[in-house]
Order: sequence, then C-alpha cells, then structure tokens
Amino acid sequence: DVKVTQSSRYLVKRTGEKVFLECVQDMDHENMFWYRQDPGLGLRLIYFSYDVKMKEKGDIPEGYSVSREKKERFSLILESASTNQTSMYLCASRGQGGNQPQHFGDGTRLSIL
Amino acid sequence: QQQVKQSPQSLIVQKGGIPIINCAYENTAFDYFPWYQQFPGKGPALLIAIRPDVSEKKEGRFTISFNKSAKQFSLHIMDSQPGDSATYFCAASRPTGANNLFFGTGTRLTVIP
Repeated sequence: DVKVTQSSRYLVKRTGEKVFLECVQDMDHENMFWYRQDPGLGLRLIYFSYDVKMKEKGDIPEGYSVSREKKERFSLILESASTNQTSMYLCASRGQGGNQPQHFGDGTRLSIL
Repeated sequence: QQQVKQSPQSLIVQKGGIPIINCAYENTAFDYFPWYQQFPGKGPALLIAIRPDVSEKKEGRFTISFNKSAKQFSLHIMDSQPGDSATYFCAASRPTGANNLFFGTGTRLTVIP
C-alpha cells in the first residue's frame, strides 16, 4: 500500500516565521503535489514536482516555495508566514503514466498566529 | 478557472436515503473521472472511478452515472449510512501531463441516524 507521510499533524507558528512542511512517499512516485484545503474552496494546488529538482507552480503559489532534493521527499516552504496561510495542507503523490490515482497524506493543520 | 464544477456544497440525508452529488466539466480531453472520499482528520482517498466509454459503474453501494454528451457525472450512495458521512470530491483527469487531475470543490455529506 502506498504511504504518504506528512511530518506534522498540527503546527502553530508566528507571523513572519519561515515554515517547513515535509512530505515523504514510499512508492517511488515521480509526481508529488502540495495542496491547501479551505472550507468551500476545495483543494487548491500550490506546487507540484514531476522529478527531482523539478517544480512547477500550481494555482496559488504566491508566498510559497518548494524543494525536491530526493525523489521520495517534497517540502513546502512558507518564506514569511502570514495569518492568511492558516489552513490544512495536503501532500500527494502519483505514479507516472495513464490515469494513476493520487495518494494523499493525512494533512498538516497549520495555524499562523 | 474551475475545471470541474461540483454541487451541492453540503448535503444532509437520513440513514437509508440516496444522496446524489453532481459534477460537470467542459474540457473534452478529460478521459477519467475519479471520486475521492475524505473523512475528518484524513486525506482524500480514491473511492470509485469511471471512464467515459461506460454510462454507469457500481462498486458496492456507490454508483457513478456518466453522461458524456452533457459532460456531467454524478455519485449516488445507495442505502446511505452514518459511516458514509464525509467530504466527497469529484475529479477529472486528462491522459497526459504531470498535473493532469482537476478536483471539484467538494461536498460535505452528513447522514443522520
């Protein structure tokens, strides 16, 4: 079974801090994704990566960056956290080719005070 | 813009009822339509999926109906149970590209005992 593990379930940080959210997958998937989930807005794609060191902006990349130094690990970085980045963050991975399902982690609920 | 439109945003039914969640899309390149189920505190997980060459797919109590000409598809849950209470996301996928899966905004279903 595919396992996508997000390092923290809950995180509380202060405005202006640099925040790192970590995600690891164990299925050697090429593609990895970061979403944020807010009530009524569904899943919004922040960034995705289709290979090591490769990244592409999603729909809402402002205020975020990502890092993929190893195939199994995809990190989301909030350069200078703001209160409007308080949200649930979900990481996902997917294999290459065809219509492969996306596998999600259980999310990190991030609060910025 | 939202590639997949989903309604309703929330739904409350009695146990045994048949909730129906509707989705619509415009892009005719989509060729795979999965549904994801998300329980509180968990990430979304693949529930059932359909390809446009069939009009209906059943898995247990869950049925997808697909209308290719109208570019609409829907999820029906037969004999709904309180354990079905969750958020449901429809999605549409095109065959190529690393970021090829587009989600609806989600429907929060509550099944009352």
